[in-house]
Amino acid sequence: DSGVTQTPKHLITATGQRVTLRCSPRSGDLSVYWYQQSLDQGLQFLIHYYNGEERAKGNILERFSAQQFPDLHSELNLSSLELGDSALYFCASSVEDWFTDTQYFGPGTRLTVL
Amino acid sequence: DAKTTQPNSMESNEEEPVHLPCNHSTISGTDYIHWYRQLPSQGPEYVIHGLTSNVNNRMASLAIAEDRKSSTLILHRATLRDAAVYYCILRANTQGGSEKLVFGKGTKLTVNP
Repeated sequence: DSGVTQTPKHLITATGQRVTLRCSPRSGDLSVYWYQQSLDQGLQFLIHYYNGEERAKGNILERFSAQQFPDLHSELNLSSLELGDSALYFCASSVEDWFTDTQYFGPGTRLTVL
Repeated sequence: DAKTTQPNSMESNEEEPVHLPCNHSTISGTDYIHWYRQLPSQGPEYVIHGLTSNVNNRMASLAIAEDRKSSTLILHRATLRDAAVYYCILRANTQGGSEKLVFGKGTKLTVNP
């Protein structure tokens, strides 16, 4: 158990819908990272927040957005869903935002878009 | 973004050492080399990281080439629980303190009993 929690574990929805994925980092961790893992693309970095502020963006679509709240939990919002958005979404946390920091990954949310 | 190249898959026998290679020929001087692994149906987990010198921890050893263009993750005695996808990534400190993490496809390690 990494100490990072993600809800829900599974999510099934239809094309065009909007969903919110939630992540609670390890106690004391200030950084939250979001990743998308699909079968053909591997693990893709989406976005990084540190203490409520966006730090870096990766391959995140404009239909996707994220935020980190004052209590440090984070939400990833996915809208106008397409079939290709079906994937595992992982959240990770680290103590700070140094590139030497270890990232602790949550168990993931499996999103299925029908 | 600096990239890594790993073999798609490797196979090992239980109780034998495993050497997982990673090429990163475009590595810059301040890039750290990190290894993570992903067990089936789980999120990735940290294995080890290093900059220039070889590193050891309870999970593995990391051997870094003198020119830093390649590295090798060493599992000294593979167990069935080590069967996973192993990712070699470079932690690149980009301008302004932001960073785009680049994971490759990783190496799928199969451990035979």
